[in-house]
Amino acid sequence: AQKITQTQPGMFVQEKEAVTLDCTYDTSDPSYGLFWYKQPSSGEMIFLIYQGSYDQQNATEGRYSLNFQKARKSANLVISASQLGDSAMYFCAMRELIKAAGNKLTFGGGTRVLVKP
Amino acid sequence: DGGITQSPKYLFRKEGQNVTLSCEQNLNHDAMYWYRQDPGQGLRLIYYSQIVNDFQKGDIAEGYSVSREKKESFPLTVTSAQKNPTAFYLCASSPGGGFTEAFFGQGTRLTVV
Repeated sequence: AQKITQTQPGMFVQEKEAVTLDCTYDTSDPSYGLFWYKQPSSGEMIFLIYQGSYDQQNATEGRYSLNFQKARKSANLVISASQLGDSAMYFCAMRELIKAAGNKLTFGGGTRVLVKP
Repeated sequence: DGGITQSPKYLFRKEGQNVTLSCEQNLNHDAMYWYRQDPGQGLRLIYYSQIVNDFQKGDIAEGYSVSREKKESFPLTVTSAQKNPTAFYLCASSPGGGFTEAFFGQGTRLTVV
């Protein structure tokens, strides 16, 4: 079974508008962390934002915010005021702390975002 | 500057050959990872290591091998048993334990010719 699911393969968004990227996850571990990364066409992986399973508030980092709904096991990324430079692949990832997982970091299939001027 | 260095950036392999991808980090991180990425796809975990002299198979370990003899180094060998090795390979590291983010290298693009 997929641990991390990103159901949107690609999205268009108008410059200056907000966009929400979906991410659902599957774990029985009560202690885990969720991450979002951006991958431009150059291939590098850029860390955007992190949410811990015990965090009470949704994480925010500049124009990025994470809509964390623990009961639904979703961790959607919201990018506000989109810029042309936001065009990239976006990946959701999860790290579980159970011993069997061994600090394993698992990624979803990604969502490609294209920002239109 | 601290970071992760992958080399080479581009690598060409003839069918039937083994090749080794280098990954070095000077971040003093305990955990290191190797991922494979096919065009337009997500990252799939090949191997990971939490500590020196120990590593675990990821989701697609067949046809690959690794070693972790030093904390800062985690080389990946793509063996001839890997039938479709053409892909983009990413190495990452993170501090052991806790929920800090992983840091990535620039990647190696491997092509079988």
